[in-house]
Amino acid sequence: EAGVAQSPRYKIIEKRQSVAFWCNPISGHATLYWYQQILGQGPKLLIQFQNNGVVDDSQLPKDRFSAERLKGVDSTLKIQPAKLEDSAVYLCASSSLTGRAFQNYGYTFGSGTRLTVV
Amino acid sequence: AQKVTQAQTEISVVEKEDVTLDCVYETRDTTYYLFWYKQPPSGELVFLIRRNSFDEQNEISGRYSWNFQKSTSSFNFTITASQVVDSAVYFCALSRNAGGTSYGKLTFGQGTILTVHP
Repeated sequence: EAGVAQSPRYKIIEKRQSVAFWCNPISGHATLYWYQQILGQGPKLLIQFQNNGVVDDSQLPKDRFSAERLKGVDSTLKIQPAKLEDSAVYLCASSSLTGRAFQNYGYTFGSGTRLTVV
Repeated sequence: AQKVTQAQTEISVVEKEDVTLDCVYETRDTTYYLFWYKQPPSGELVFLIRRNSFDEQNEISGRYSWNFQKSTSSFNFTITASQVVDSAVYFCALSRNAGGTSYGKLTFGQGTILTVHP
C-alpha cells in the first residue's frame, strides 16, 4: 500500500509569512494526526482528526495554526503568521483506528515537512 | 498525564557491541500501549514494535529485543551486535489503550541518538 504523502519536503520562509503543508493519508485510514517535531525533541501532537472531525486540538496554537481535513481524506496545516520558534519538522500520520484499541494496527508516519523560519 | 523519559541523550558504540536504550514511562491508565520508533537521518519514523500493557513477555526480533517491566514502568530496547546501519535516533512512545478522545495520541520521549562506529 502507498504510504502517507506529505508536501512540500522542505520550506524556508521569513517570520510573519504564511505557510501551508499538505498531507494525503493512507487510503481508508479514518484517523489523521499532525505532529510537530522541534530539533532535538520527540514529536508532539498538534491535532487529531477522525474523518473530517477534530478529536483533539488541545496543543494546537490556535492563534496562528489552523488545520482542516475536507471530506475526511487530505489535510492541510497552516501557520499564519509564522514565528522563529515554529521551525520544526511537521509530521503527518494516519491510522486505521476508529475506536477503542489498536487491534488492527496501522499507524503510519509520512516523511515530514521541514520548516525553517528565518 | 502521560510522560516518557529517555535518560540517555546520546550513545556511541563500536560495531558489534550490544547496546541498550532505556525508556521509563508514567501513566495513570491501567491499560496502555508502548512503542519504539527509529528515525534515520532521512527523517521518517519507522515503527519497530508495539507492546500492550497486558503482555509482559519479552520479545525478540532478529538482533532486536525488548524488555518490558511493568513493576518499574520500563520498556528497554536492546540491539545485539550493533551495525553501522543502526545509527539513528530512537524514540520510545506511549499511548492510551482505550476510551476517551486521546486514543491514538502518541506521547514521545526526547529520543536517544545512537551512533555506531565501524
